[in-house]
Amino acid sequence: DAGVIQSPRHEVTEMGQEVTLRCKPISGHDYLFWYRQTMMRGLELLIYFNNNVPIDDSGMPEDRFSAKMPNASFSTLKIQPSEPRDSAVYFCAINRRGQETQYFGPGTRLLVL
Amino acid sequence: QKEVEQNSGPLSVPEGAIASLNCTYSDRGSQSFFWYRQYSGKSPELIMFIYSNGDKEDGRFTAQLNKASQYVSLLIRDSQPSDSATYLCAGDSGNTGKLIFGQGTTLQVKP
Repeated sequence: DAGVIQSPRHEVTEMGQEVTLRCKPISGHDYLFWYRQTMMRGLELLIYFNNNVPIDDSGMPEDRFSAKMPNASFSTLKIQPSEPRDSAVYFCAINRRGQETQYFGPGTRLLVL
Repeated sequence: QKEVEQNSGPLSVPEGAIASLNCTYSDRGSQSFFWYRQYSGKSPELIMFIYSNGDKEDGRFTAQLNKASQYVSLLIRDSQPSDSATYLCAGDSGNTGKLIFGQGTTLQVKP
């Protein structure tokens, strides 16, 4: 989790509720990525930003998912309404300026009942 | 569609043996390749990256890249039980800034 803080670390909610996941990069970066990981589908890229601008959101499963990056130090991923199939670990990752290597945050483990 | 393929395993090796993890990729435009290790319940962490054909060594780890065959591998010498994890291979996707990840190979090192 070099340089990336995610909150909450665990979230349990009921189907239909809104869920907001947060990511705070604490070091300089060019890109910020949101991933989802499940046993069945592995690591999936949902959306990524370059200099706070969304570049590719083709991995976002459906309109229930949205992401924002209002500034270089903060990004959110929102699911509304949540469904049980959204249960997964959601990672935020960054790459440091000028590097291709991505560094992952600790992840948010989401369980939708 | 650009893909990175890995055998999901599990790959089981005895302690002290060499573990060989393999990965193929479809995008000939990919130039950089990365190996991440992910322990159960943790986030992926970078082990090595490789840009040039040939071998790159770092301690017990050796990454190998063959661009003609579109093949990347990771060798772990003197495998330890603490190396038991899932290993993710990733390649860059041109100048898009994103990486394409494989599904990962689970390695089990048995004492």
